[in-house]
Amino acid sequence: QVQLQESGPGLVKPSGTLSLTCAVSGGSINSSNWWSWVRQAPGKGLEWIGEIYHTGSTNYNPSLKSRVAISIDKSKNQFSLKLSSVTAADTAVYYCAREIPGYCSGGRCYGIGFDIWGQGTMVTVSS
Amino acid sequence: DIQMTQSPSSLSASVGARVTITCRASQSIHTFLNWYQHKPGKAPNLLINATSNLQSGVPSRFSGSGSGTDFTLTISSLQPEDFATYYCQQSYSTPRTFGQGTKLEIK
Repeated sequence: QVQLQESGPGLVKPSGTLSLTCAVSGGSINSSNWWSWVRQAPGKGLEWIGEIYHTGSTNYNPSLKSRVAISIDKSKNQFSLKLSSVTAADTAVYYCAREIPGYCSGGRCYGIGFDIWGQGTMVTVSS
Repeated sequence: DIQMTQSPSSLSASVGARVTITCRASQSIHTFLNWYQHKPGKAPNLLINATSNLQSGVPSRFSGSGSGTDFTLTISSLQPEDFATYYCQQSYSTPRTFGQGTKLEIK
């Protein structure tokens, strides 16, 4: 079955760039799924960061859009997150997740939930 | 953005009790509503998608209902392993958004 595994530095300096990778195993990143990043700051709820499709199409949370870039590497079966100009507010557990595809119509794609998640990786922003 | 509001934010209940968590969307999301169980140190687990579709392996004591803007998650008879935080999430539009969570604690 498909598994996801996040990797990347656990400590990032303020104003720096957070970089994480999610490796997909047991299946192809070329499948009909959108691949997302979700985070949870300490004591807070879940926040969707953005998503990517195997074609390279992306959607981002407007609250982070100016600082976020999600990319895909089909040769390595993985996708990545870059979050720039980080502050302490970006300290969180970061998860990658796969969304079950619904259908697309009129330029909008409807999903039916995130069925597979990585185990999460804690990233702390601190000098 | 579609805002998702859950109530209550926390809930104390006994083993065997029936509990209901509600989720309200700021606009119609039809039935594109999903529920997750989240335990500390673990990844969220999808319990129910598309409002009422129980995921494989999820006990039948969990059920979901609703449409449009109002949705509910019901646990018919609480078991010790059900104490966790529950989130609703809409997948009707981007950005995907979650409710603030409902922490279910043992009474």
